[in-house]
Amino acid sequence: ELKVEQNPLFLSMQEGKNYTIYCNYSTTSDRLYWYRQDPGKSLESLFVLLSNGAVKQEGRLMASLDTKARLSTLHITAAVHDLSATYFCAVDIKGTEYGNKLVFGAGTILRVKS
Amino acid sequence: NAGVMQNPRHLVRRRGQEARLRCSPMKGHSHVYWYRQLPEEGLKFMVYLQKENIIDESGMPKERFSAEFPKEGPSILRIQQVVRGDSAAYFCASSPLLRYEQYFGPGTRLTVT
Repeated sequence: ELKVEQNPLFLSMQEGKNYTIYCNYSTTSDRLYWYRQDPGKSLESLFVLLSNGAVKQEGRLMASLDTKARLSTLHITAAVHDLSATYFCAVDIKGTEYGNKLVFGAGTILRVKS
Repeated sequence: NAGVMQNPRHLVRRRGQEARLRCSPMKGHSHVYWYRQLPEEGLKFMVYLQKENIIDESGMPKERFSAEFPKEGPSILRIQQVVRGDSAAYFCASSPLLRYEQYFGPGTRLTVT
């Protein structure tokens, strides 16, 4: 059974600081996803990482994937208050040729303090 | 192109009643996934459907829950005889044929009183 673990589960950080969220998964998978969720809202897709060594950046967020270590990181640079949200990583399990189901981590609640 | 639509957005049911949650996938998408998010937890896969077919229901509780995606109309997740533990946010996602990325709807927040 595929397990996905995130840490930390809660992160309180000062504006302007850097930090990293980690996502470990237990078995080989083809793709890793990062999502953002604001309270009471749906999931917003941030990154899709498709191969070993993949790195993607958008604004103050950068995600990377190491498939050998089964580890992805989401790095936050110079945090701002607007980044406060819950961040989920998810890994897909290859199902049929038609599509895959996602296994989510528990989420990291990020609070950026002024 | 409208996104994934779910209705109702909020649903309140008393214990023992039935809940019907609807999901209209994005235009051109033939696959629908349902996920449940309990308070303070991540999303858990429930069921994956194609038109008129259940592909994978390994995450569905064995009793009281059912899902369908008819040839015409939205996908429906049906919960019979709801209990307080069913209170959660239910998200639907869709994807096109032979593509991996899933697009999530706004969710239906079910409260059982």
